[in-house]
Amino acid sequence: DADVTQTPRNRITKTGKRIMLECSQTKGHDRMYWYRQDPGLGLRLIYYSFDVKDINKGEISDGYSVSRQAQAKFSLSLESAIPNQTALYFCATSGTPNTGELFFGEGSRLTVL
Amino acid sequence: EDQVTQSPEALRLQEGESSSLNCSYTVSGLRGLFWYRQDPGKGPEFLFTLYSAGEEKEKERLKATLTKKESFLHITAPKPEDSATYLCAVQANSGYALNFGKGTSLLVTP
Repeated sequence: DADVTQTPRNRITKTGKRIMLECSQTKGHDRMYWYRQDPGLGLRLIYYSFDVKDINKGEISDGYSVSRQAQAKFSLSLESAIPNQTALYFCATSGTPNTGELFFGEGSRLTVL
Repeated sequence: EDQVTQSPEALRLQEGESSSLNCSYTVSGLRGLFWYRQDPGKGPEFLFTLYSAGEEKEKERLKATLTKKESFLHITAPKPEDSATYLCAVQANSGYALNFGKGTSLLVTP
């Protein structure tokens, strides 16, 4: 089993629908992240969490929200999806002291029609 | 604001043809510079961490180097299985999350 698991792996939805992407990890790491990847734009940080009670906005948090349900679980929600949120979403974790060594999930491809 | 610029955007090499990928960066106090490899349809995979100018790391055919303004990923005698997108990222001293470059897409042909 993968150390960082994302569900769903693929999702097609319509504009205005609420979507949740889930991430769970077995690494025992405190830090978890959500990135989105778009062709030509690279990986951009949406939200990050350094522990269950610490959640922070990244550079592109507008239109997204997150929940850290437990040390091992970090979910990303799109309250009202729009087409420009079509992207590949990655969850990642890191531990201390090597906080820059990220372990990524396989990605969730989201298409908003 | 931290910035990471990778060049070239794409690189095509013949098997055995050595080359280098570049990562230029600006950051307010570098905590670390990181290289990742990403295969199509997969999440990025960690390769190296570099902490200070002059540092070098090696893994098989890859060697990463760091100066105060840029990092290079040298690929010696590449093989087709080295084909992937290589991502560079920086982390500031604040310990904030990583800031990634857009990547270099490498294709190695037999």
